[in-house]
Formats: sequence, C-alpha cells, structure tokens
Amino acid sequence: KQEVTQIPAALSVPEGENLVLNCSFTDSAIYNLQWFRQDPGKGLTSLLLIQSSQREQTSGRLNASLDKSSGRSTLYIAASQPGDSATYLCAVSPIYNQGGKLIFGQGTELSVKP
Amino acid sequence: DVKVTQSSRYLVKRTGEKVFLECVQDMDHENMFWYRQDPGLGLRLIYFSYDVKMKEKGDIPEGYSVSREKKERFSLILESASTNQTSMYLCASSSGGLAGRNEQYFGPGTRLTVT
Repeated sequence: KQEVTQIPAALSVPEGENLVLNCSFTDSAIYNLQWFRQDPGKGLTSLLLIQSSQREQTSGRLNASLDKSSGRSTLYIAASQPGDSATYLCAVSPIYNQGGKLIFGQGTELSVKP
Repeated sequence: DVKVTQSSRYLVKRTGEKVFLECVQDMDHENMFWYRQDPGLGLRLIYFSYDVKMKEKGDIPEGYSVSREKKERFSLILESASTNQTSMYLCASSSGGLAGRNEQYFGPGTRLTVT
C-alpha cells in the first residue's frame, strides 16, 4: 500500500532564506506527483505537477524534483517571503489507482518570519 | 482560468439531518472527487466519479453517497449526519476519465459542523 510522508511537519525560517521541503513515498509505481499549497481554512492550490518521466518542474521561485527510484521529491523555495507561509502538501497518483486518484502526505506547515 | 466552486463555505447541521454538499467545475473535466480533511488524518478520498452517472468508492465511503447527473456538478450526500462527520470537505476535478493522470484542481472547501 502506498504511503506518503512529509518531514518535517513544521518549519520556521527567516525571510529571504532558501528552503527545501521533503516528500517520500513507498511505492515507485506512480503516474505523477503533485505539490499543493493550503492556506488556513482554505482549499488546495496546485503548485507543480511532475510526471513520472520527468526529473523536475519549475514555476517562478519554486522548483520541484522527483527521484522515482528512491521514492523522493523535494520542493525548493527560493528567497522565501512571509506570503509563502502556508501548509505544503505532496500527493502521488499510483499506477494501480484508476482515474488519477491521489494519496496525500500529511503536509509541512511553513512559517516565514519577517 | 480554472474554477471549482462549492456551494457553502460554512455549514452547521443537526444530527440526523440529510445534508447536501454541491460542487461545480467549469473546465469540462471528466473526473470529480470528494475528500474530507481532518487534523492528524490528512486528506482522505470519499468518492470519485469519472463520468456522468458513474461513481466509485474511495477509502471512506461509509455514511456518504454521491450524485453526478451533469458533467459539471458532483454532489456529496450525508444521508443522516452524525457528529463524526464534522470535517472540512474538499471537492476536486481533473481531466482524463478512468485513464486520467492529470492535475487536480480543488475548490475552496466546506467546513461542516454537525451538532
């Protein structure tokens, strides 16, 4: 059974710092991996989608990498800002799941201090 | 721009009531999903639909049913609400049908409290 783990559960950094969020999964048989952002009490916003054949994706100050063989993904945030404070979730779409159903990690709560 | 909307942001219902949560997407997506999110348990899939009138159970379907009469609308029904169904409910959609493996887009969520 696929399991997704995100460590640490919470992270606090000063503004301007570059940071890395980690995601690991137990079964490498995935279609893709998706990173989301969630603000308190709100829905999820899709940040990046990496297909299983890709190594990384970039959007602005965000860069996500995928190493399927080792079951790891990282989300790199450059020059962090207070507005980046949110919970970041990763999710995988296992090959055995039809319809693109996702399995989520528990999230990393990020706080960027001014 | 991608848009998934949910009928209510906050809802308070009494135990035993029948509750309807509505979700609408304007992207012509085949797939729609209902999740619930609870502290310490994360997001768990309740039901999903890959086409009109088609549905499949997720990980925690007990106590819920769904309806998809039109492609853009997916309803979650709590037949007889109970206090353990107090939660944040999130709707999502994606393209691709049963073979789909595309980006999922989420709505703003409905915070349901059952008293």
